[in-house]
Amino acid sequence: AQSVTQLGSHVSVSEGALVLLRCNYSSSVPPYLFWYVQYPNQGLQLLLKYTTGATLVKGINGFEAEFKKSETSFHLTKPSAHMSDAAEYFCAVSPTGGFKTIFGAGTRLFVKA
Amino acid sequence: GAGVSQSPSNKVTEKGKDVELRCDPISGHTALYWYRQRLGQGLEFLIYFQGNSAPDKSGLPSDRFSAERTGESVSTLTIQRTQQEDSAVYLCASSSGLAGVGGELFFGEGSRLTVL
Repeated sequence: AQSVTQLGSHVSVSEGALVLLRCNYSSSVPPYLFWYVQYPNQGLQLLLKYTTGATLVKGINGFEAEFKKSETSFHLTKPSAHMSDAAEYFCAVSPTGGFKTIFGAGTRLFVKA
Repeated sequence: GAGVSQSPSNKVTEKGKDVELRCDPISGHTALYWYRQRLGQGLEFLIYFQGNSAPDKSGLPSDRFSAERTGESVSTLTIQRTQQEDSAVYLCASSSGLAGVGGELFFGEGSRLTVL
């Protein structure tokens, strides 16, 4: 069975600082990996995804994530945080060729002025 | 429609009552998912439908929960004899269901259920 672990339910950074949100997955084969973002009072939307090919994927709003098979990780980063990045971020996994998408518990990002 | 539509947006009910939550997916999307999000927690998978295949019900927490979907259209999630622990936001998502390509899920705004 697949699972997703997000380290840190809350992360706080200063504006302009590096954002690093951690995600590790458990799967018998390399799955598809996603990051979704939920802004306050809004629905979830896709930030970026890894399916095949290049292991460093870029998403919206300057975010990127790197798939590391050896570490079973898919950490999300952004070089410089903006106040508007304050939101809840969810890592998700689905099996290759399948449909069941499992989400992590989420990490709430706080950005301090 | 343009996006995933859910109704009602808010529902307050008394313990023991039955509730129905409705999801209207994006037209043409063959896959439809239900998730539960309790306050301050992540998304808990409940069930998904893919075309005419048998649904994956592995996430339904008890036999009080059931869901139906007619073809590739509207889905209804039914909770019978509601309990206070059922209070949560119920999220519906749909996907184009392109197997093997990691299709994006498009979420509705959710139905917030409060059981008194």
